Amino acid sequence: EVQLVESGGGLVQPGRSLRLSCAASGFTFDDYAMHWVRQAPGKGLEWVSGISWNSGSIGYADSVKGRFTISRDNAKNSLYLQMNSLRAEDTALYYCAKDPGGTAAMSYYFDYWGQGTLVTVSS
Amino acid sequence: SYVLTQPPSVSVAPGKTARITCGGNNIGSKSVHWYQQKPGQAPVLVVYDDSDRPSGIPERFSGSNSGNTATLTISRVEAGDEADYYCQVWDSSSDPYVFGTGTKVTVL
Repeated sequence: EVQLVESGGGLVQPGRSLRLSCAASGFTFDDYAMHWVRQAPGKGLEWVSGISWNSGSIGYADSVKGRFTISRDNAKNSLYLQMNSLRAEDTALYYCAKDPGGTAAMSYYFDYWGQGTLVTVSS
Repeated sequence: SYVLTQPPSVSVAPGKTARITCGGNNIGSKSVHWYQQKPGQAPVLVVYDDSDRPSGIPERFSGSNSGNTATLTISRVEAGDEADYYCQVWDSSSDPYVFGTGTKVTVL
């Protein structure tokens, strides 16, 4: 059974940093691209960042480019999101999500999601 | 950047058919994916590549895509189908993974 478990969220002041983690199990982690998707309270879904299976391809939403860094440790079956210079508008539930495409090609959608970790940016 | 527009809400009686639209410029040329999100839960993929269903998703869920509109159809609606539904595409723009605005389905 595929499981994605996020952690690292919490309350943080504007301008500070936070690092999110996502522990994956139930599938061969290093075969798949992974993503972070967020959802502000009462709002819709917003893609944040994605990373290919071998970290060779990385992308960011314009709203976080230059402030957030995605990474992965395939030996630890883990995905990370380093968030710097946090703003109030970054307040959201952050989901870890898996791309179903394998090493040959990405599929550009999300077949499994974690339950999310809440990040609140407030003074 | 690419924009996907969904109706904010759709209401349907049990046993009837709900149709949720997702509008975008020439969306018929893209692959559309649909997610169901129940309150307090993570999204669940219900249709991918316009009309394919993941294992475990009932046949009552189906999708189509043509021109400027993609549609998720839920047949024989049940109370458990009450949720928010989001469409999603990939676009070769600066923000490549685009979600629709979301549609709240209410079962009367």
